[in-house]
Amino acid sequence: EDQVTQSPEALRLQEGESSSLNCSYTVSGLRGLFWYRQDPGKGPEFLFTLYSAGEEKEKERLKATLTKKESFLHITAPKPEDSATYLCAVLAGGSYIPTFGRGTSLIVHP
Amino acid sequence: DAGVIQSPRHEVTEMGQEVTLRCKPISGHDYLFWYRQTMMRGLELLIYFNNNVPIDDSGMPEDRFSAKMPNASFSTLKIQPSEPRDSAVYFCASRTSGGQETQYFGPGTRLLVL
Repeated sequence: EDQVTQSPEALRLQEGESSSLNCSYTVSGLRGLFWYRQDPGKGPEFLFTLYSAGEEKEKERLKATLTKKESFLHITAPKPEDSATYLCAVLAGGSYIPTFGRGTSLIVHP
Repeated sequence: DAGVIQSPRHEVTEMGQEVTLRCKPISGHDYLFWYRQTMMRGLELLIYFNNNVPIDDSGMPEDRFSAKMPNASFSTLKIQPSEPRDSAVYFCASRTSGGQETQYFGPGTRLLVL
């Protein structure tokens, strides 16, 4: 059974304090790993797709990386507006259904 | 593009009443997914459609839940009769069959069953 585990469940940072969120997965035949941002009261908003180990993608203060077992979402010098829940999901094998992790709730204090 | 559109955004109803949630996917997307999100269980897939045909409804909790997609631009999720444990946020998402296979989510319907 495909499994996706995100850690930590919650993270509090001071503005400017860089950190990383982790998404570890156990799947057969990874086709893609997705990162989403979810603000309170809103739907998940797509951030990145990673397809193979070694791939990296960046957007503003966010950088996503992928290995054969996990993905990291690095947040450099975060700002309070980066506060949100970050979800990761994997698509594997012949399935059209992504498996979602439970998310990491990030709060950035000014 | 307006993105995935859901209505209503909020619904408060009494136990036993019928609830209908609506979704308009992104034009050109041929996959549509219904999810439910709760604090306890996270994001759960309920059912998904391909070209308006239900493909996998194994996530539908029980017979009280039903979903339809009469055409490529509209889908409904119906709960009849509703129960307090159905209270959750229901999301609709859509995607194309190729490319990045990324799902795009709607804003959700927050359902409260009293």
